[in-house]
Amino acid sequence: KAGVTQTPRYLIKTRGQQVTLSCSPISGHRSVSWYQQTPGQGLQFLFEYFSETQRNKGNFPGRFSGRQFSNSRSEMNVSTLELGDSALYLCASSLLALSGRGVGDTQYFGPGTRLTVL
Amino acid sequence: DQQVKQNSPSLSVQEGRISILNCDYTNSMFDYFLWYKKYPAEGPTFLISISSIKDKNEDGRFTVFLNKSAKHLSLHIVPSQPGDSAVYFCAASEWASGTYKYIFGTGTRLKVLA
Repeated sequence: KAGVTQTPRYLIKTRGQQVTLSCSPISGHRSVSWYQQTPGQGLQFLFEYFSETQRNKGNFPGRFSGRQFSNSRSEMNVSTLELGDSALYLCASSLLALSGRGVGDTQYFGPGTRLTVL
Repeated sequence: DQQVKQNSPSLSVQEGRISILNCDYTNSMFDYFLWYKKYPAEGPTFLISISSIKDKNEDGRFTVFLNKSAKHLSLHIVPSQPGDSAVYFCAASEWASGTYKYIFGTGTRLKVLA
């Protein structure tokens, strides 16, 4: 089974521009989450989508948005880029089993998109 | 407020010895815990998990221990190998508002010395 894929892997933008990142989850996984990783900050949760609906959102400004398509693929968009948006953006998918706890709760990560804002 | 804390930013261990990585949490509603390993320029890789109804889970060289009363979990790697050198993240999960929420620690950089 193919893993989580993210495109592009690397991106360089300038302040004020906008960017769209893409994530394709593991086949059959319906939950997709996005995280921002910066040095010393660990993984900061951005948002989670399930069946095309945003069900959970972290503490990020409205410049960060996302969506999920009917095939579970997801995109996130950052508008009006700032220098502080430079980070590794990670996408994770899970099966999201709704009964009990176990394998379905495990999130599997893609390789990430390294965004540099100049 | 950091609900999941990894207080040791780095750890060095000799090859063949035991590596112990620690993680503390504050939210008693967390009921599922995971450990991930991350190499530079790659996404985190799932290692091992544990449900709150257990206190120990083993998978090969990796064992996770959960102490619910202390709100503490640890990852033991025995024996440690140079290829284990990476950043390790612990994560905690709870069911809230119709979905699972995952909170990650800030990571511990493990260096295994040959």
